[in-house]
Amino acid sequence: KAGVTQTPRYLIKTRGQQVTLSCSPISGHRSVSWYQQTPGQGLQFLFEYFSETQRNKGNFPGRFSGRQFSNSRSEMNVSTLELGDSALYLCASSAGTGFEQYFGPGTRLTVT
Amino acid sequence: GENVEQHPSTLSVQEGDSAVIKCTYSDSASNYFPWYKQELGKGPQLIIDIRSNVGEKKDQRIAVTLNKTAKHFSLHITETQPEDSAVYFCAASERRDKIIFGKGTRLHILP
Repeated sequence: KAGVTQTPRYLIKTRGQQVTLSCSPISGHRSVSWYQQTPGQGLQFLFEYFSETQRNKGNFPGRFSGRQFSNSRSEMNVSTLELGDSALYLCASSAGTGFEQYFGPGTRLTVT
Repeated sequence: GENVEQHPSTLSVQEGDSAVIKCTYSDSASNYFPWYKQELGKGPQLIIDIRSNVGEKKDQRIAVTLNKTAKHFSLHITETQPEDSAVYFCAASERRDKIIFGKGTRLHILP
């Protein structure tokens, strides 16, 4: 079974721009969660989608948003990029509540 | 809010020795405690997890213990090998779809 895939793997953007990251979960998984990983703050929960609905949200500003499609693929969008948004963005999929999460390799975003 | 403290931040052990990483959590409602291993350039990989109704769980050279009263849980790796070198994260969750992570421990296995 293929694992979680994330595209692109690397991205360089300029302050003020916006970016969209994509995540394809493991086949059959309906839950997708997004995390931001930085050296200073570690792994921080952004939000979680299940069956196209956002079920949980972390403490991030409204510039961070996401969505999930009917095939469970998910996208995350960050608008008006700031230098502090430079991070590794990880997505994790699971079969649903009560099941383990499996992470993708992440998208490394650099904001200059 | 929910918080998970992890210690130490860096740990060096001789190959063949044991390594112990400790975590504490703040939310008494937490009932699921996974441990992840992250190698360079990769996403975190689930290596073992424990639920709140169990005090200890073992999988080959890896074991996790949980003390719900003290809100402590620990990862034990015995007979360490070079491939154990990585960053390890503990985490706690009330629901498995929202996980709060510790800051990580960088484990170095010395030859």
